[in-house]
Amino acid sequence: EIVLTQSPGTLSLSPGERATLSCRTSQRLTSNYLAWYQHKGGQAPRLLISGASRRATGIPDRFSGSGSGTDFTLIIERLEPDDFAVYYCQQYLTSPQTFGQGTKVEIK
Amino acid sequence: EEQLVESGGRVVRPGGSLRLSCAASGFDFGDLAMSWVRQAPGKGLEWVAGLNWNGGTAGYAESLQGRFAISRDNAKNALYLQMDSLRGEDTALYFCAQHRGPYHYTYPMHLWGQGTTVTVSS
Repeated sequence: EIVLTQSPGTLSLSPGERATLSCRTSQRLTSNYLAWYQHKGGQAPRLLISGASRRATGIPDRFSGSGSGTDFTLIIERLEPDDFAVYYCQQYLTSPQTFGQGTKVEIK
Repeated sequence: EEQLVESGGRVVRPGGSLRLSCAASGFDFGDLAMSWVRQAPGKGLEWVAGLNWNGGTAGYAESLQGRFAISRDNAKNALYLQMDSLRGEDTALYFCAQHRGPYHYTYPMHLWGQGTTVTVSS
């Protein structure tokens, strides 16, 4: 299976700052089948980005995804209080689909 | 409004069985692939199983070792997860999720339910 490694494990930032999250895959993802999800405890995860860079419906342009091959990045500009959560990358190129271990963005 | 509602989670003894259900509404259920994803306490998200639009092709996490089976009834707009030989490590919040296409691979999961809790304990 494809293994995803996210870094850092925790990001401590203040509102208004920029968050940069990284995701590396153990195999090259053809067609960039890489998604990013936001998850807050006890709630349904929310799809932010698919195809490595395509924002899902209703996601503000403060969220942007980039990358290709095995290295992908999620950037959140001007952090708002509602953005503090855990973020997961996920590959959906092959079955079994796999998630990274998550990056927690916490208030500094 | 598109919606997914999971049910069936409860406390079950190790070695026991349980069937989870997911009721879909507000979209053409029979056209789209579906998956189950879980989150164990203090852990991250783990994809459990996925099923194509017509129930013809399923995929499973390697860690399950054949103990779970995913199925669907398109006439009832329902997704199921049959879980057998349950273990403590299966304790988790189980989400069902909709893929924006007919296959559970090559399409991301767009819509998620709120989850149902399974606790495996004696």
